[in-house]
Amino acid sequence: QVQLVQSGAEVKKPGASVKVSCKASGYNFMNYGISWVRQAPGQGPEWVGWISGKNGDTDYAPKLEGRVNMTTDTSSKTTYMEVRSLRSDDTAMYYCARDRRVATFGVVTMDYWGQGSLITVSS
Amino acid sequence: DIQMTQSPSSLSASVGDRVTITCRASQTINSYINWYQQKPGKAPKLLISAASSLQSGVPSRFSGGGSATDFTLTISSLQPEDFATYYCQQTYSNPPTFGRGTKVDIK
Repeated sequence: QVQLVQSGAEVKKPGASVKVSCKASGYNFMNYGISWVRQAPGQGPEWVGWISGKNGDTDYAPKLEGRVNMTTDTSSKTTYMEVRSLRSDDTAMYYCARDRRVATFGVVTMDYWGQGSLITVSS
Repeated sequence: DIQMTQSPSSLSASVGDRVTITCRASQTINSYINWYQQKPGKAPKLLISAASSLQSGVPSRFSGGGSATDFTLTISSLQPEDFATYYCQQTYSNPPTFGRGTKVDIK
């Protein structure tokens, strides 16, 4: 069965960086992408970005471009999301999700989700 | 960014009720809309993609409709496990944006 297992909760100070991992299993990793979505407490979801499992192409939300970087290790089927220069408003639950979009021109459709990683930014 | 306006923001309903949630896009998005269900402390779950395509394993009491800018998610007969928050998401243009959600609770 499809599973996405994320790394644990982290507490960071403003200005620091955080790197979250997402390990996939149960499907052909190279036939899908991975999208990352965050959700601040009591708020709706916000799409952060996408990476192709096939070739590592990326697409980031303009709001976060320049501070976010996504990479993938196809040998271990693990995707990483790094956010730099953290601010208090980056505090959120961060989810990875399998995305049917495998190429840059595709349509985002997130059909299986990880359990979430709570990132808290506080001085 | 395309704004997605959901209504109502919350509703109270009884088991067996027919429930309709609407989502309006700030510009035409053709049929590029997905619907998700989220329960407290859990990740969102994909219910419907491309406006009306029911995902595998999702009960047939859920249906989606609409086109251009106006869309609906309908639950034909509300069940106890359907009490949750529902989000629409447009995937027509980058970034894909979500509505603010509709919380469905027990009357």
